[in-house]
Amino acid sequence: SAVISQKPSRDICQRGTSLTIQCQVDSQVTMMFWYRQQPGQSLTLIATANQGSEATYESGFVIDKFPISRPNLTFSTLTVSNMSPEDSSIYLCSVTFWAGGNAFFGQGTRLTVV
Amino acid sequence: AQTVTQSQPEMSVQEAETVTLSCTYDTSENNYYLFWYKQPPSRQMILVIRQEAYKQQNATENRFSVNFQKAAKSFSLKISDSQLGDTAMYFCAFIGDSNYQLIWGAGTKLIIKP
Repeated sequence: SAVISQKPSRDICQRGTSLTIQCQVDSQVTMMFWYRQQPGQSLTLIATANQGSEATYESGFVIDKFPISRPNLTFSTLTVSNMSPEDSSIYLCSVTFWAGGNAFFGQGTRLTVV
Repeated sequence: AQTVTQSQPEMSVQEAETVTLSCTYDTSENNYYLFWYKQPPSRQMILVIRQEAYKQQNATENRFSVNFQKAAKSFSLKISDSQLGDTAMYFCAFIGDSNYQLIWGAGTKLIIKP
């Protein structure tokens, strides 16, 4: 199992600003994922973050808007840049320790852009 | 491409009743794993149950059990003696045994009424 600390748990931000979300894992892991989730809906993968390489972004998500850092095997950040109200959502980080393994999640960040 | 389908957007049952959530999936892989996750209003994603595709025996975890029909590509979750704390979004997910990324269903909102 894993304990993932995700911060902040929620924030209200002004449009045009940026917010950085942090995820700290209590053990080393190669594969880390960042998701966006609208309330009542499923998870949409933003990007996969591997330590030592650039993040891989899914269709519809770009690095300029969602830059990701992965400085080591236990930590990652996702920045939501130049925010607009459409970015209001829940953001989740997740890790999988082995192929075919189950995913572990942070507590999520509820972002509201006004 | 792998897909996961949950056809029940919302369900509600009385406390202590039994409820079954449906999930179907599509894949050409032979070896894979299936999961049910629970997401209560706290947003924390919690693994409910895991099924290995090569195992014919259905997985069980206390009040939670699955009906895994590999040929039909069906993976339903049965919750027995439902409790108020079972109220949550439930997500069905799939992962191939060589992959690290889960494929998610749309989710079913389950409401347990007192």
